[in-house]
Amino acid sequence: AQSVTQPDIHITVSEGASLELRCNYSYGATPYLFWYVQSPGQGLQLLLKYFSGDTLVQGIKGFEAEFKRSQSSFNLRKPSVHWSDAAEYFCAVGGYAGGTSYGKLTFGQGTILTVHP
Amino acid sequence: AAGVIQSPRHLIKEKRETATLKCYPIPRHDTVYWYQQGPGQDPQFLISFYEKMQSDKGSIPDRFSAQQFSDYHSELNMSSLELGDSALYFCASRLGGEYTDTQYFGPGTRLTVL
Repeated sequence: AQSVTQPDIHITVSEGASLELRCNYSYGATPYLFWYVQSPGQGLQLLLKYFSGDTLVQGIKGFEAEFKRSQSSFNLRKPSVHWSDAAEYFCAVGGYAGGTSYGKLTFGQGTILTVHP
Repeated sequence: AAGVIQSPRHLIKEKRETATLKCYPIPRHDTVYWYQQGPGQDPQFLISFYEKMQSDKGSIPDRFSAQQFSDYHSELNMSSLELGDSALYFCASRLGGEYTDTQYFGPGTRLTVL
């Protein structure tokens, strides 16, 4: 079974500080990994995704993530956080799980980011 | 660019009533996924369709049913509503056949059961 763990429920950073959100996954086959961001009461916006190739992927809004197979991790980073980055961030894993199970996503519990001015 | 459309955006129902949520995927997308996100929870996969056939099933209650129509839109039918069904329901669509393609999420339908 596939699973995702985001160890940090809530993170607070100062504006301009660097950010790293942790994500660990468990998946029986080749994982396809995603980071989504959700503002309160809003939908899910894709920040970035990893399918294969370069293990450091760039996303929108200055975010990047690094896939580390040996550590089963896909941590999200940003060098300088802006107040508008305050939101909830979800890591998700998907892929081919056999049969007709194409691409359903399993999400982590989410990390709420608060940004202090 | 066209996005996933969900209707209604908000829905208030009484216990034991029924509700129908609709999802209109991005044009040409033939795969639809439904997710349920309870208050303070992560989204949970309910069910998916590919080319109008159910392709996968998650933790969807027997009181719920769904289908995908010839124009690829999908409807989630919920009967005998319970207080615990109050949640944000997301639909996502993807161009099927290649599971590495990205799922694009709609804005969600917020269902409140009183």
